[in-house]
Amino acid sequence: GQQVMQIPQYQHVQEGEDFTTYCNSSTTLSNIQWYKQRPGGHPVFLIQLVKSGEVKKQKRLTFQFGEAKKNSSLHITATQTTDVGTYFCAGLGNFNKFYFGSGTKLNVKP
Amino acid sequence: EAQVTQNPRYLITVTGKKLTVTCSQNMNHEYMSWYRQDPGLGLRQIYYSMNVEVTDKGDVPEGYKVSRKEKRNFPLILESPSPNQTSLYFCASSLHGRFGGYSLDEQFFGPGTRLTVL
Repeated sequence: GQQVMQIPQYQHVQEGEDFTTYCNSSTTLSNIQWYKQRPGGHPVFLIQLVKSGEVKKQKRLTFQFGEAKKNSSLHITATQTTDVGTYFCAGLGNFNKFYFGSGTKLNVKP
Repeated sequence: EAQVTQNPRYLITVTGKKLTVTCSQNMNHEYMSWYRQDPGLGLRQIYYSMNVEVTDKGDVPEGYKVSRKEKRNFPLILESPSPNQTSLYFCASSLHGRFGGYSLDEQFFGPGTRLTVL
């Protein structure tokens, strides 16, 4: 079946360091969405990428969608303690089924 | 306030006792979905609904039922719960699913229901 893999599973960084999480799909995705889940909370939408090779920025966050539409990345520049949480990618596969990655849990030490 | 609500938020039950988790959204969204979240596995889609009376299986539908009689409500039914259905459940909605030329929109998640089946 379709799978979306996400690495790393955990990342511990010192405040001010950069952070990247990677998402890879076994099949081509029509779009990819990124979500953030704070501890004890629910996933909150960050962004959606649709076009091959698309790059979008939100302040310190940079999102990329691969040329083949099978991979994506989220990069945070100069992390802050408010960035703590788990980051999920989610790809739309066949029909209208959503496939979430297993998530990357980010811990930021002040 | 635009939101997705779920009830109950916490539930402890026993094997075989039928239960329903309700989900309601007040944003007039067409697409609704149920997910379960387990450690190390991320979120897995159980069922989704493109619109009223239209539902379809997600990745892990076994042991669950849904119905979409009204646009705003999308209850999740466990006819005979088992311990392997112990999980954190999220309901989500978005304006459209990918259909009729629309691109899928951002999903709004409910606060979650933590279910324990003994």
